[in-house]
Amino acid sequence: DIVMTQSPDSLAVSLGERATINCKSSQSVLYSSNNKNRLAWYQQKPGQPPKLLIYWASTRESGVPDRFTGSGSGTDFTLTISSLQAEDVAVYYCQQYYSPLRTFGQGTKVEIK
Amino acid sequence: EVQLVESGGGFIQPGRSLRLSCTASGFTFGDYAMSWVRQAPGKGLEWVGFIRSKTYGGTTEYAASVRGRFTVSRDDTKSTAYLQVNSLKTEDTAVYYCTGDCGSDGCRGFGYWGQGTLVTVSS
Repeated sequence: DIVMTQSPDSLAVSLGERATINCKSSQSVLYSSNNKNRLAWYQQKPGQPPKLLIYWASTRESGVPDRFTGSGSGTDFTLTISSLQAEDVAVYYCQQYYSPLRTFGQGTKVEIK
Repeated sequence: EVQLVESGGGFIQPGRSLRLSCTASGFTFGDYAMSWVRQAPGKGLEWVGFIRSKTYGGTTEYAASVRGRFTVSRDDTKSTAYLQVNSLKTEDTAVYYCTGDCGSDGCRGFGYWGQGTLVTVSS
């Protein structure tokens, strides 16, 4: 199985400041047929199902604010929230869908400092 | 509007079986693979299995932690996916979500999620 490891497990950021979450996969998730990374990011707020933010490592889902940016390739990926808002308090997960055995990272909890 | 509605959860004793259902609307269900994801109380997300669309053979894949005990199936005439869970263990206690996986326009992560159904395994 492809193991997804996120860092840090939690972070506290002041309103308006940048939040950065890292995700590392145990093997490359670059899909050779279209040269895109099969890596997604999700946001989950308490009591709600996860919400897709980013797919193909860097493509924002429709309706997602542009303060959310995904980057990286191969095995190393980053989700950046450029200016943290109160409504961004949540747990964030990365996920690979390269392998038929999909796997998630353990999650990163983002709070307000 | 896309909707996924899970049902079938509840309180059940260890060793028993349960079938969860996920009924979809608002998209062409038959064109999509469907995945099941679970979340134990206070824990992270765990993918458990999925079923491909009939176009791709309708075959299934499972996480090692549930392989042999869980079975995913689908009935495209009812726009419904199922998760049969057998020989339940206390560690299977979780909210079970169904999600839309790869579709006719390719694989873009899990864009559709239901609200989940809670399965509590306890004696």
